[in-house]
Amino acid sequence: QVHLVESGGGVVQPGRSLRLSCAASGFTFSDYPMHWVRQAPGKGLEWVAVISYDGSDQYYADSVKGRFTVSRDNSKSTLFLQMNSLRAEDAAIYYCANAHVWGQGTTVTVSS
Amino acid sequence: QLVLTQSPSASASLGASVKLTCTLSSGHSTYAIAWHQQQPEKGPRYLMKLNSDGSHSKGDGIPDRFSGSSSGAERYLTISSLQSEDEADYYCQTWGTGWVFGGGTKLTVL
Repeated sequence: QVHLVESGGGVVQPGRSLRLSCAASGFTFSDYPMHWVRQAPGKGLEWVAVISYDGSDQYYADSVKGRFTVSRDNSKSTLFLQMNSLRAEDAAIYYCANAHVWGQGTTVTVSS
Repeated sequence: QLVLTQSPSASASLGASVKLTCTLSSGHSTYAIAWHQQQPEKGPRYLMKLNSDGSHSKGDGIPDRFSGSSSGAERYLTISSLQSEDEADYYCQTWGTGWVFGGGTKLTVL
């Protein structure tokens, strides 16, 4: 069965960093580009970043460019999101996803 | 600019059918989209990819009650024989540099 499981969320102060992980199983992870999508409380879905199947290309939403970095380890079927200089507006549930599958999300709270 | 527009809300009765609309911005009428469902307090679930000619491919386990169609810049999701568990937010999504989402439609089953 295809699964994506995010982890690494938590409460962090503004300006600090956090690293999210997404463990994949049930499919050939290295065949797929992978995305991060977030959802602020009571809001819609916002695309955050994508990384190509081999990790050679990454693209970011303007709202996170220069602060967030997406990476992957295909040997471990794991996707990462390094989030630096966090702001209050980054507070959200963060989902990893490929073309057809979503994870259950991990919650990031930014508060002093 | 690539934008997807959805009505914020829709409602229909249990057992009836409903047709949700996603409109592509000017100049992007040939784009394919995907539909995703998000039930309350859950993560999104992929429903289908919908092409400009109306052909669509559904995700694993998606019931036949869910279907897609297209007309010009409009992309539709039709849900027939509505059930209580269909009450959810429905998002359309397309492909630009990354993913582009519509604002979502909150479907209420009466």
